[in-house]
Amino acid sequence: DTAVSQTPKYLVTQMGNDKSIKCEQNLGHDTMYWYKQDSKKFLKIMFSYNNKELIINETVPNRFSPKSPDKAHLNLHINSLELGDSAVYFCASSQVRTDPIASGTRRETQYFGPGTRLLVL
Amino acid sequence: AQKVTQAQTEISVVEKEDVTLDCVYETRDTTYYLFWYKQPPSGELVFLIRRNSFDEQNEISGRYSWNFQKSTSSFNFTITASQVVDSAVYFCALTNFGNEKLTFGTGTRLTIIP
Repeated sequence: DTAVSQTPKYLVTQMGNDKSIKCEQNLGHDTMYWYKQDSKKFLKIMFSYNNKELIINETVPNRFSPKSPDKAHLNLHINSLELGDSAVYFCASSQVRTDPIASGTRRETQYFGPGTRLLVL
Repeated sequence: AQKVTQAQTEISVVEKEDVTLDCVYETRDTTYYLFWYKQPPSGELVFLIRRNSFDEQNEISGRYSWNFQKSTSSFNFTITASQVVDSAVYFCALTNFGNEKLTFGTGTRLTIIP
């Protein structure tokens, strides 16, 4: 029933390791996102994908590589984990609509997954 | 560039009091969306409301109400008769209609004291 799901919910790992976080949405949405929430609760976009195509890469280190095998999934792989990567990572999705009045397309509300709490030791 | 300011870092009120959370935004876009999200202690991000820049009508949903004023670039959120379950961090956010990314404010931590 869950609309946007993430696995795992918690991830504790050593510096230098490689890890992946998975995200799936069953809302039929076209666009998916990854956000990072730091220890001060600040939320910042990392990546946006529309129908498996990358549309936003917000100056994220190359160690972070998103992969979208289909429009319902957006995974995040992190290489060579660093202490500063410790954070909560949220996946989100939204629907694209064509707006004849305002012209062009618009994306509607972003719905978030439960978050993955990553702790790098 | 877009910016969202939530000047109130923390607010504490006694249960049943009314409380208003402030949000001021900056954008060069003429069409945009504004949002409020709630993050309870359990950590998930819960969508509360979306307004688009065409629609300045205020909205009420139960104990929640929102006041959108383009003239002052503000989108304030009021909780009437607060309850302990309202304790959470509340985020205001902004995006253009393309909604490729949300720009969040820094959040306001609201504590309702029983």
